[in-house]
Amino acid sequence: AQSVTQPDIHITVSEGASLELRCNYSYGATPYLFWYVQSPGQGLQLLLKYFSGDTLVQGIKGFEAEFKRSQSSFNLRKPSVHWSDAAEYFCAVGPGGGADGLTFGKGTHLIIQP
Amino acid sequence: ETGVTQSPTHLIKTRGQQVTLRCSSQSGHNTVSWYQQALGQGPQFIFQYYREEENGRGNFPPRFSGLQFPNYSSELNVNALELDDSALYLCASSLGEGMGLVYEQYFGPGTRLTVT
Repeated sequence: AQSVTQPDIHITVSEGASLELRCNYSYGATPYLFWYVQSPGQGLQLLLKYFSGDTLVQGIKGFEAEFKRSQSSFNLRKPSVHWSDAAEYFCAVGPGGGADGLTFGKGTHLIIQP
Repeated sequence: ETGVTQSPTHLIKTRGQQVTLRCSSQSGHNTVSWYQQALGQGPQFIFQYYREEENGRGNFPPRFSGLQFPNYSSELNVNALELDDSALYLCASSLGEGMGLVYEQYFGPGTRLTVT
């Protein structure tokens, strides 16, 4: 069965500092990987996705993520965070062209210190 | 382009009652998926509808059912509500191909259901 692990429940970063959120997945076939962001009381917004090709993918709001097959990881990064980045971040894996839905991690809560 | 919309925003029901949640998909999308997000957890896949038929289902009991209409909007129905059904219910729309296979999904703001 597929699964997603986000090891960090909370992360605190100073405004302007760099950020890396970790994501490890377990999937039997070629995974389709996603990062979503959720602000309080809101739905999920797609930040970026990896389907194939270049393992470093760029997303919205200055985020990027790197797919490492050997480590089963898809970590999210941002060089300099802004106070508005404070939110819940979810990594998800999907069958890519499937009808079985996405499997999400439990999320990482990002806190930005001034 | 209109995004995914859901109604109502909030809902309070009593254990044992039935509830219907509604979702309008993003313009141009033909597939709708529903997810349940309990407090402090990631969303869990309930089921997916493509061309008015359920074509994928997660680990949820039959009292969770749905409909998709010709305009691709959708309803989630939950019968015999339990306290553990209290959650944020998210609808996601996508463009399905072939047998309703989807790739990226776009989420609505959700409906917060509280069961007392």
